[in-house]
Amino acid sequence: GQQVMQIPQYQHVQEGEDFTTYCNSSTTLSNIQWYKQRPGGHPVFLIQLVKSGEVKKQKRLTFQFGEAKKNSSLHITATQTTDVGTYFCAGLFISNFGNEKLTFGTGTRLTIIP
Amino acid sequence: AAGVIQSPRHLIKEKRETATLKCYPIPRHDTVYWYQQGPGQDPQFLISFYEKMQSDKGSIPDRFSAQQFSDYHSELNMSSLELGDSALYFCASSPPTGPYNEQFFGPGTRLTVL
Repeated sequence: GQQVMQIPQYQHVQEGEDFTTYCNSSTTLSNIQWYKQRPGGHPVFLIQLVKSGEVKKQKRLTFQFGEAKKNSSLHITATQTTDVGTYFCAGLFISNFGNEKLTFGTGTRLTIIP
Repeated sequence: AAGVIQSPRHLIKEKRETATLKCYPIPRHDTVYWYQQGPGQDPQFLISFYEKMQSDKGSIPDRFSAQQFSDYHSELNMSSLELGDSALYFCASSPPTGPYNEQFFGPGTRLTVL
């Protein structure tokens, strides 16, 4: 089955430092979505990348989709305490029957040291 | 703005009992997804419904069943509960626009099996 791995599993950074999480799929993705889950909360959609090599920015967050559509990254510049949470990538796979399945990555838990 | 509603928010059951979780998607969303998230784990896809028909099936145990009703709300029925079923169960919904859409997650139901 499809697998989506993320590294690192945990990241502790000093406030103001940058942070990057990497997402790798075992198979080619139709698109990739990123979600953020605060401690005790539910996943909240951040962005969707569809095109090969696509780069999107949201303020201090930069999302990239690899050329082969098998990997992605999320980079946060100058982290703030509000960035605390677990960041999940989620790859959308389309089966031979046309069914869509979103497979979540293993997540990267970000902790900010004030 | 209306969000996905899940009930109950917390549920405590004994082993071998049954449980029913309810999900009310965002109005005009036609697809509902169910996920199971264990402590420190990523959300695992269980099952999805599109226009009241099952559209995809993930790692849902045979002891579980689900359906989507004419008003688009969905219920996850869990029987012969086991200790390992203790988890956070999320429902998510997505709108009909485009082929692949972000998923809007509900607050989750925390199920504890004793």
